[in-house]
Amino acid sequence: EVQLLESGGGLVQPGGSLRLSCAASGFTFSYYEMTWIRQAPGRGLEWVSYISGNGGATYYADSVKGRFTISRDNSKNTLYLQMNSLRADDTALYYCTKFLDGSGSIFADWGQGTLVTVSS
Amino acid sequence: EIVLTQSPATLSLSPGERATLSCRASQSVSGSLAWYQQKPGQAPRLLIYDASNRATGIPARFSGSGSGTDFTLTIGSLEPEDFAVYYCQQRSKWPVTFGPGTKVDI
Repeated sequence: EVQLLESGGGLVQPGGSLRLSCAASGFTFSYYEMTWIRQAPGRGLEWVSYISGNGGATYYADSVKGRFTISRDNSKNTLYLQMNSLRADDTALYYCTKFLDGSGSIFADWGQGTLVTVSS
Repeated sequence: EIVLTQSPATLSLSPGERATLSCRASQSVSGSLAWYQQKPGQAPRLLIYDASNRATGIPARFSGSGSGTDFTLTIGSLEPEDFAVYYCQQRSKWPVTFGPGTKVDI
């Protein structure tokens, strides 16, 4: 069974930093592209960042480009999101997601999310 | 980026009724559209991908149709557990984008 467990969220002041982690199990982690998707309170879903299976390719939403960095450690089956220069509009529940087998950008498996609150 | 519009914003129905949800794209996404269900306090769940393919474990009362710019999610006969928010998502062009959601409530 696929499991994705996010951690690292919390309350941070504007301009601060956080690193989110997503521990994956139940599948061969290094084979799969992964993404982060966020959801602001009471709002819809926004794709944030993508990383290929070997980490060689990464993409970002314009809203986070230059501030967030996605990475992975395949030896630890863990996905990361380093978030710098945080702003109030980054406040959201951040989900780690895995693609559907053999697909691109179909989000078959989701973690339960970790909440990031940016406020002074 | 491709903008997805969902209608209606809210759909008020009763158990046993048929629900029809619409998703329209600002440009053609071919058949590269998925639908997700989200219940309060839960992560989204994949229902339909590539317009009409049900994901593993999804009941047959959920069906998807459409291509190009106009898509429909149909719930044949609403069960109590189907009252939720439904999102469409396109993967035709980066960045992937989601619609604003349709809330199906009683």
